[in-house]
Amino acid sequence: RKEVEQDPGPFNVPEGATVAFNCTYSNSASQSFFWYRQDCRKEPKLLMSVYSSGNEDGRFTAQLNRASQYISLLIRDSKLSDSATYLCVVNGGGSYIPTFGRGTSLIVHP
Amino acid sequence: NAGVTQTPKFRVLKTGQSMTLLCAQDMNHEYMYWYRQDPGMGLRLIHYSVGEGTTAKGEVPDGYNVSRLKKQNFLLGLESAAPSQTSVYFCASSSTGTSAYNEQFFGPGTRLTVL
Repeated sequence: RKEVEQDPGPFNVPEGATVAFNCTYSNSASQSFFWYRQDCRKEPKLLMSVYSSGNEDGRFTAQLNRASQYISLLIRDSKLSDSATYLCVVNGGGSYIPTFGRGTSLIVHP
Repeated sequence: NAGVTQTPKFRVLKTGQSMTLLCAQDMNHEYMYWYRQDPGMGLRLIHYSVGEGTTAKGEVPDGYNVSRLKKQNFLLGLESAAPSQTSVYFCASSSTGTSAYNEQFFGPGTRLTVL
């Protein structure tokens, strides 16, 4: 079983839609969690960290469920510019090295 | 403040040739990483370094070597390139390994083709 798993998609949604992605992780001792965004042929960039209490940044909301070992990303009022691959990253739990999921592809169409 | 830079941006090699990819960061970060990204495979860690003079193997280290002689530089070497090493290579750096605030900063990538 891969340490960090994501549905690769693609998720194909119209502008204005709400879309949610989940990411599951296997190491219960993991300590920190992130969502990165990667545009086509570009480098990954941090979208947001995921805190235990959940956090929101504009149209984006991230949640952590330690009991079920998953994190989620909710995007409201999707824009064409949200089209990208969203990478889940998990840190800690005895390793100093972050573990990346394979990413979830989002396509927002007019 | 350039962040993380990578040299070169593109390269075409013939099988058996060697080359070195250079990664430089100006953020005084301790940790540096080399990844490769192939379609459908996500980011896979090749080697990493937790400080000047140290290196360690990641998930897919075979066929690659690295060096971290200076804190700001992390070099990735291919001694005898193979077509299976055709990929996009990303370098990244972070201040620590296990902090909730250890955002990784990535370079723009090197697109390598081995014929």
